Amino acid sequence: GAVVSQHPSRVICKSGTSVKIECRSLDFQATTMFWYRQFPKQSLMLMATSNEGSKATYEQGVEKDKFLINHASLTLSTLTVTSAHPEDSSFYICSAEGNPNTEAFFGQGTRLTVV
Amino acid sequence: KNEVEQSPQNLTAQEGEFITINCSYSVGISALHWLQQHPGGGIVSLFMLSSGKKKHGRLIATINIQEKHSSLHITASHPRDSAVYICAVRRGGSNYKLTFGKGTLLTVNP
Repeated sequence: GAVVSQHPSRVICKSGTSVKIECRSLDFQATTMFWYRQFPKQSLMLMATSNEGSKATYEQGVEKDKFLINHASLTLSTLTVTSAHPEDSSFYICSAEGNPNTEAFFGQGTRLTVV
Repeated sequence: KNEVEQSPQNLTAQEGEFITINCSYSVGISALHWLQQHPGGGIVSLFMLSSGKKKHGRLIATINIQEKHSSLHITASHPRDSAVYICAVRRGGSNYKLTFGKGTLLTVNP
């Protein structure tokens, strides 16, 4: 299957700082990327849908100014957690798709800890 | 009621046993996905189904569109199959988002 690389896999940051997470499709062009958050023993919660070259569509309750998403190319989307707080500590994972309604390929996820 | 329901929530098996995980959904869909999430967190796509049955190695996935039900079977289970298995559906129409079940935690003991 296709490869989606997410980096970093783990990050610890101080409260008030910003953290950038990258999601790259390595062998296909991802027209759409999705960003999810997962709490312990819970299912994936969609945060936003990102289409190349356009603004991300955020789910209800997700602060767009706090979770900045950029999808500047067909192979790269970034999620920046701004002014991080301990409650932002979570597992963040991206998925990428080439064409609508096709197989979803997921990154390895990023474990964010804000101290 | 969740749009996607999985059962069981937890499943413990002995190595070699035949495993079945079930998924029921309540909306019209264009496709159903079975995903595997290992303890480290990464997710692997196992199957995408819109009808019938698919097989890959020891894994078999079936779907009954009329009954809005899918099953994932693992034959000759092995400890390395231990993971969370997640069912996700993509609605029909232009909505591309996936809706996820809560997952089934499978533990296969040697």
